Formats: sequence, structure tokens, C-alpha cells
Amino acid sequence: AQTVTQSQPEMSVQEAETVTLSCTYDTSENNYYLFWYKQPPSRQMILVIRQEAYKQQNATENRFSVNFQKAAKSFSLKISDSQLGDTAMYFCAFFLRGEVNRDDKIIFGKGTRLHILP
Amino acid sequence: DAGVTQSPTHLIKTRGQHVTLRCSPISGHKSVSWYQQVLGQGPQFIFQYYEKEERGRGNFPDRFSARQFPNYSSELNVNALLLGDSALYLCASSLRAFTYNEQFFGPGTRLTVL
Repeated sequence: AQTVTQSQPEMSVQEAETVTLSCTYDTSENNYYLFWYKQPPSRQMILVIRQEAYKQQNATENRFSVNFQKAAKSFSLKISDSQLGDTAMYFCAFFLRGEVNRDDKIIFGKGTRLHILP
Repeated sequence: DAGVTQSPTHLIKTRGQHVTLRCSPISGHKSVSWYQQVLGQGPQFIFQYYEKEERGRGNFPDRFSARQFPNYSSELNVNALLLGDSALYLCASSLRAFTYNEQFFGPGTRLTVL
């Protein structure tokens, strides 16, 4: 079975600093997708960044980038020049396409609560 | 364009009752997924529907069921409610199955079971 582990329940950094959130996962599959989602205090979940496992190049979206280490099954999120609006819960998620139509599954980690301090 | 909408916003039920939660996807989106988020945890995948067919199912008992209508809106039904069903229920829509497209989440329905 697939698992997703976020080992940092809570983190705090000063505004403008760089912060890295950790995520490890376990799977025996080769073709999958990884996501980072942000859930601000207002609770609406937003996709931050997406990585296809077959792509070696790390995904980047403005101040957000990932360090994808497939062999180590690690998928960390780096936030550069952090802003107060980055304060939120961050969830790492793993998606596996099923062999038959009904077997698609997505698994979320327990989340990391990130506080950006002024 | 309106985002994903869910109704009701909050709901209080007692054990043993039945509940129906509703979700309207973004216009043009044909896939809807349902998640249960217990306080302090990440969302747990319940169902995904695409073009009115079940595309994926998480590890939830048969008390949980869902369907998708011709207009792509969706209902999640939970029978014989238990205290442990208290959670935020999230709906997400995407153009197609979420492999290829970004999922857009709704604000959720907060269900409290007493």
C-alpha cells in the first residue's frame, strides 16, 4: 500500500526567509504523480505545484519549487522569499493511476502547519 | 466564473441518521471527487466520478455512496451516521480525471454527528 509521510507537523519562519517542507512516500509503482496543496485558514484547498514521476526536472512555480528524488522517494517543497500569505497547512499528496478505471487513488499526508512571522 | 460550490455549509446530525451533501463543479468540469478531512488530518479520498461513472474509490464502508448527475453535479450520501463521521467533507472538480488537470476544491461542508 502507498503511504505519504510529512515529518514536520509545524514550522515557523520569518517573512522573506526560505523554508523547506519535507515529504516522503512509499510505493512500488513507477508511474505516479505528486502534488503539494495549500489550505489557508479559510480552508479552501489550493494546488501549489505538481510533479510527474517520469519527469526528472523539478517543477517550479514562481516562488515555489520542489526537490524530487525518485530513488529516495522524497518530494520536498521549497518556498523562497516567504510571505505572510503563505501561512497555511501544506499537504503533500500522491496519485496513482489504476490499471482499471475504478482503481485510481490519491493519498494525502497529514500536513505541515506553516507560520510566516512578520 | 463561479468556483466549486458545496451545500450545506454546516450540518448537525445525530447517530444513525442519513445525510446528503451536494457539490456543483466549475462549469465545463466533468470530474468530481469527494474527500473526508477529520480535524488535524489530511483529506482522505472517498470517491471520484468522471462522466457520471465511478473512477476511483477509497477505503470507506458501504455506508458511503455517491452519484454524479447529467449536469456533472454530485451528491455524497452517508447512511447510519457514526460519531466518527464528523469531519469536513470536501468536493473537488477538474476537467477530466485529476491526473492531467488541476483539481479545484470547494469550501467544504462541516458535518457534526452528535
